[in-house]
Amino acid sequence: NAGVTQTPKFQVLKTGQSMTLQCAQDMNHNSMYWYRQDPGMGLRLIYYSASEGTTDKGEVPNGYNVSRLNKREFSLRLESAAPSQTSVYFCAGGGVYSNQPQHFGDGTRLSIL
Amino acid sequence: AQKITQTQPGMFVQEKEAVTLDCTYDTSDPSYGLFWYKQPSSGEMIFLIYQGSYDQQNATEGRYSLNFQKARKSANLVISASQLGDSAMYFCAMREGNAGGTSYGKLTFGQGTILTVHP
Repeated sequence: NAGVTQTPKFQVLKTGQSMTLQCAQDMNHNSMYWYRQDPGMGLRLIYYSASEGTTDKGEVPNGYNVSRLNKREFSLRLESAAPSQTSVYFCAGGGVYSNQPQHFGDGTRLSIL
Repeated sequence: AQKITQTQPGMFVQEKEAVTLDCTYDTSDPSYGLFWYKQPSSGEMIFLIYQGSYDQQNATEGRYSLNFQKARKSANLVISASQLGDSAMYFCAMREGNAGGTSYGKLTFGQGTILTVHP
């Protein structure tokens, strides 16, 4: 009963390096989301995918790209990492109906040096 | 303007006492949903309770209840009989649009309140 699985859990990058955060869900959610969590700011939406094959920008999309590979997988890519992207990243999957909560992965703690 | 405001950066409560965590929201959409999540020190996000804008009664889930005052645009979380394990960060979040229908909306989160339960 995995739910939403994120990999890796921790990562340290140097400025300018690229990497992809992976997210997979086995809950049959149509919608998936990427958030970042910074101290004192709560979670902010980076990108979301309402359904397979569609993606849209959230509140803070600059410096990121996403791919909805299939219904299960939604990846987040940092093409050229910057120290300002040091954060905890959460992937979530949403329910079919709006009274259903989003289910979150355990997060990826990313540090950019 | 902030859509979700949690004005209490930190709260303290004695074990077995009740505590209220404040949340106010701002939306012009008549259909919306309000969620509370708990984030313990281990970091995961745990869903606690949901309130829809058209729900007639305040939501309850075990020791959690929501004091929903629609006219004041507030959705305060009440935790009864606090336990040491309730010590965590608590987030209020809102999803606008289609409160009773198919979900596509994104969550907007408040800044969170750190709750500390003292023995």
